[in-house]
Amino acid sequence: GENVEQHPSTLSVQEGDSAVIKCTYSDSASNYFPWYKQELGKGPQLIIDIRSNVGEKKDQRIAVTLNKTAKHFSLHITETQPEDSAVYFCAASQGGNEKLTFGTGTRLTIIP
Amino acid sequence: GAGVSQSPSNKVTEKGKDVELRCDPISGHTALYWYRQSLGQGLEFLIYFQGNSAPDKSGLPSDRFSAERTGGSVSTLTIQRTQQEDSAVYLCASSLVNNEQFFGPGTRLTVL
Repeated sequence: GENVEQHPSTLSVQEGDSAVIKCTYSDSASNYFPWYKQELGKGPQLIIDIRSNVGEKKDQRIAVTLNKTAKHFSLHITETQPEDSAVYFCAASQGGNEKLTFGTGTRLTIIP
Repeated sequence: GAGVSQSPSNKVTEKGKDVELRCDPISGHTALYWYRQSLGQGLEFLIYFQGNSAPDKSGLPSDRFSAERTGGSVSTLTIQRTQQEDSAVYLCASSLVNNEQFFGPGTRLTVL
């Protein structure tokens, strides 16, 4: 089955700087890669996703890149703000309505 | 519109008792998923419903766990003879198309 690894497990960034979180996956059949943000006591919230037919996707301060050959994808947050502090999870699936396999999460702390 | 709702938000039970957790998906979403999140861990897939059928039950950890979905809407996850290792946050997600899964706030289960 699919295995997703995520690094780093914790990340502290000065407000205004950029943050990068990286994930690798094992199953070459995976073609859908979402990123979720989870705040304390809440369910995960989808913030951006990418499908295997593109290499990069951007939404304001958030971007995701995908390298299918190397089987890795990354989340980039620019101009970080205190409200970006949360746990971020990457995930992978084979698309359609297949289950998501999640990474173990990255706790991002933005230092004011 | 209304998101995914789950009840109860918190459940404390004694070892050996049965518990039922409820999920109300987003109206019209045909796919429904249950995941489990243990303290400080990523999300672990349990079961997936398409309509009222469960094509993928591969994540259920033991035969003490079961789930059903009726009317293509509400789902119930039942854990029989609860054990302390069942303590976790149980998350439900629903999806319409293209695997964009939207999560509820979760039920925090504590087994004493």
